[in-house]
This record gives sequence, structure tokens and C-alpha cells, in this order.
Amino acid sequence: EVHLVQSEAEVKKPGESLKISCKGSGYNFTTYWIGWVRQKPGKGLEWMGIMYPGDSDIRYSPSFQGQVTISADKSISIAYLQWSGLKASDTATYYCARRSSEGSWLDTWGQGTLVSVSS
Amino acid sequence: SYELTQPPSVSVSPGQTARITCSGDRLPKQYVHWYRVRPGQAPILVIHKDTERPSGIPERFSGSTSGTTVTLTISGVQAEDEADYYCQSADITGLWVFGGGSKLTVL
Repeated sequence: EVHLVQSEAEVKKPGESLKISCKGSGYNFTTYWIGWVRQKPGKGLEWMGIMYPGDSDIRYSPSFQGQVTISADKSISIAYLQWSGLKASDTATYYCARRSSEGSWLDTWGQGTLVSVSS
Repeated sequence: SYELTQPPSVSVSPGQTARITCSGDRLPKQYVHWYRVRPGQAPILVIHKDTERPSGIPERFSGSTSGTTVTLTISGVQAEDEADYYCQSADITGLWVFGGGSKLTVL
């Protein structure tokens, strides 16, 4: 069975760095795109970007380009989302999700990682 | 930037039919996919490629398309269907976009 398991919730201060993770299992991690989606409290889903672990091809949403870094370690089937200087406005739940091999939909989602940024 | 437009809210009584629309000028050329998000839970895919239902999704969920509008229809709505529903498609460059979401309330 396909699973994406994300790292635990984080509480950080503005300006701190952070790297959250998403571990895939039950499928060939290198041959599926992995995307990241943000959901701020009480708000909608926002697509952040997507990465193909097989060749490290990465596409960012213009809204998130330069704000976050998407990466992956295919040897251990883990995708990452990182910030170098968090802001209070980064407070949100972040989901990783696998893109279907048959089209542009997200067929499997992680459980989400809540990131809280406050001084 | 490309936008997908959804109604903020839809309300129906149990057993009735709920219809949630998603509008965008590229929808005749791009597929739309739908996700259900229950409070405190991760999204799940309920419809892909406008009309296809993934395995495990009840038959009461269906999708249709007409011009620049795609519709998610939930027939015989049940209390457990109360959730936020989001459409997703792609812009002209192939980058993805979500609609603003529609809150389905079961009265």
C-alpha cells in the first residue's frame, strides 16, 4: 500500500530555519512526482511546487519561488520542504502529495505537518 | 495569474443532491480534479479527469463538464459528506492551481 508519512508538528520563531520531511513507501519513489501544498488556518489549498526525485527536476509556483526550497533524497525515499528564514505568515499546515503516474492529479497525500511560527 | 472560481458555500439537506461548480477559461482544454478536505484531515481525491471516480469513492460522487465550468455532483448527500471541496487544474504553463474551495454544509 502506498503511504506518505510526514514529520511531526513544529513550533519555531521568526527568522529560524526549518526542514520538514515526507517519506514515501509502497511504491518506486524515484518515478513519481511529489508535490507540496500549503493550507493556512481557515484558508484554502495552495500549490507550492513539485519535484521528480528521479532526476531532481523541480517546478515552483511563482508565489513560492525563492521562498522555500524543495528537495529529496531518493536513496531513502524522502522529500523535503525547507525555509531559511521563517515568518509568522508561514504558519500553516503543509501537505506532501504524490502525483499520479497517469495524469496531473494528486492520488496520495501525507497527513500534513503543522508549522507554527511565533515570537 | 490563472484562477479557478468556486462558490464559497453550498448547503443541502440529507438525501438531496449537491452540485459544486468550478469555473476557469482554460477548463475546456485542461482536466479538473476534485478533493475533499474534512476538518483536521488530509485531502483525498474524489474525482479525477473531470468525471472519473477513484476506487473506494462512493458512486454518489460524479463529475461533469460544460464549456468553462466543471461540476462535482454528490447525489443522496449524507452527513459524512460535509467537508470542503477543492477543484484543481493547470494554467497555460502547466503549473497547477486550486480553486478557492467550497464548504458543503449538510443541513
